[in-house]
Amino acid sequence: TQLLEQSPQFLSIQEGENLTVYCNSSSVFSSLQWYRQEPGEGPVLLVTVVTGGEVKKLKRLTFQFGDARKDSSLHITAAQPGDTGLYLCAGAGGGGNKLTFGTGTQLKVEL
Amino acid sequence: EAQVTQNPRYLITVTGKKLTVTCSQNMNHEYMSWYRQDPGLGLRQIYYSMNVEVTDKGDVPEGYKVSRKEKRNFPLILESPSPNQTSLYFCASSRQGVLSGANVLTFGAGSRLTVL
Repeated sequence: TQLLEQSPQFLSIQEGENLTVYCNSSSVFSSLQWYRQEPGEGPVLLVTVVTGGEVKKLKRLTFQFGDARKDSSLHITAAQPGDTGLYLCAGAGGGGNKLTFGTGTQLKVEL
Repeated sequence: EAQVTQNPRYLITVTGKKLTVTCSQNMNHEYMSWYRQDPGLGLRQIYYSMNVEVTDKGDVPEGYKVSRKEKRNFPLILESPSPNQTSLYFCASSRQGVLSGANVLTFGAGSRLTVL
């Protein structure tokens, strides 16, 4: 079974701060996705990265896929309360049509 | 509206009483999947289906059954629920399998199950 470890598990910051969430594995993935989940709802896809070293930007969010396609990071610039939520990375590949989710990072941005 | 619908949203049951959580999607998606979410463990895949009558085990299939008789429906069956199956369950679907870089997985709102 492939494992995806996310760090930190919890993060509480003030509005305007920057932060980075890490997603690490010893396995290689064909693609990696990032989701955000809010209470009472299912995860919602933010981005998919496919190529090793790929960087994608979504407004204040920057996603990077590691060169070896084993890890990824999510950087948020000038965090806002609306960024509060559970962030999940998910890797595809490794046998079968399975999507393996990371352990999650709970982010809280306070005024 | 394109969506994945799960029922029931909340259920409290007792050990050994068979139950079914239904999942339906209206997007004509090929791929459907069930996950369970537990604190500190993220989402773990239970079963998935690439198409009608094609199902495969995920990472935690023990104690669960699924069927895919129609493209739009993918029910999750707990034949004899136990307390360790208390969890938040999500159904999801996508146009094609997750190995495609263009895959977009759409999730239902979740079903919170408590087994006493």
